[in-house]
Amino acid sequence: GNSVTQMEGPVTLSEEAFLTINCTYTATGYPSLFWYVQYPGEGLQLLLKATKADDKGSNKGFEATYRKETTSFHLEKGSVQVSDSAVYFCALSGGLETSGSRLTFGEGTQLTVNP
Amino acid sequence: DGGITQSPKYLFRKEGQNVTLSCEQNLNHDAMYWYRQDPGQGLRLIYYSQIVNDFQKGDIAEGYSVSREKKESFPLTVTSAQKNPTAFYLCASSIVSERIAHEQFFGPGTRLTVL
Repeated sequence: GNSVTQMEGPVTLSEEAFLTINCTYTATGYPSLFWYVQYPGEGLQLLLKATKADDKGSNKGFEATYRKETTSFHLEKGSVQVSDSAVYFCALSGGLETSGSRLTFGEGTQLTVNP
Repeated sequence: DGGITQSPKYLFRKEGQNVTLSCEQNLNHDAMYWYRQDPGQGLRLIYYSQIVNDFQKGDIAEGYSVSREKKESFPLTVTSAQKNPTAFYLCASSIVSERIAHEQFFGPGTRLTVL
């Protein structure tokens, strides 16, 4: 079945540092890939997405590229801010083994950015 | 404003009581989902529905029940059979199409505590 593996957290960075959160997946066919962000006590918000190989999703300075050859969708940001402190989830949907838009989530990575 | 509402934000119940969590969306989405989130963990799918009057079990459906009598509403009942119901519950909705797996939009969540 489908699965998503994220780098283990927590991750602690200083403001303006470079961020990478690794995400790899297992799926048959051509899934869509997503990064969601969750601030404390809130629901998830879509951060960015990519629906086919070599697509780059970007939003608010965050980027991720859909790499089918390495089955990866790593999240990057060149200069993090304190306000980026949150939990980040990698997810996939579609492919041959899921119906509709059912999502498979990674375990989440807690990011803390210190001033 | 279009979106998903969940109520209440905090809910306390005594052990052995059934409790129903509300989820309403005005996005005109066909599909709706319920997830459970435990501290420091990812999301696990409880139930989902892709059309009115039809729903499917997710990965952890035991001890839960749902109904989908209206497109806008997808209430979740946590029954006394659920052995460890204290958790954060998230509702989501999405478009359904055959060609593309769409992102899900999430509500703000309900934190259920069983005393």
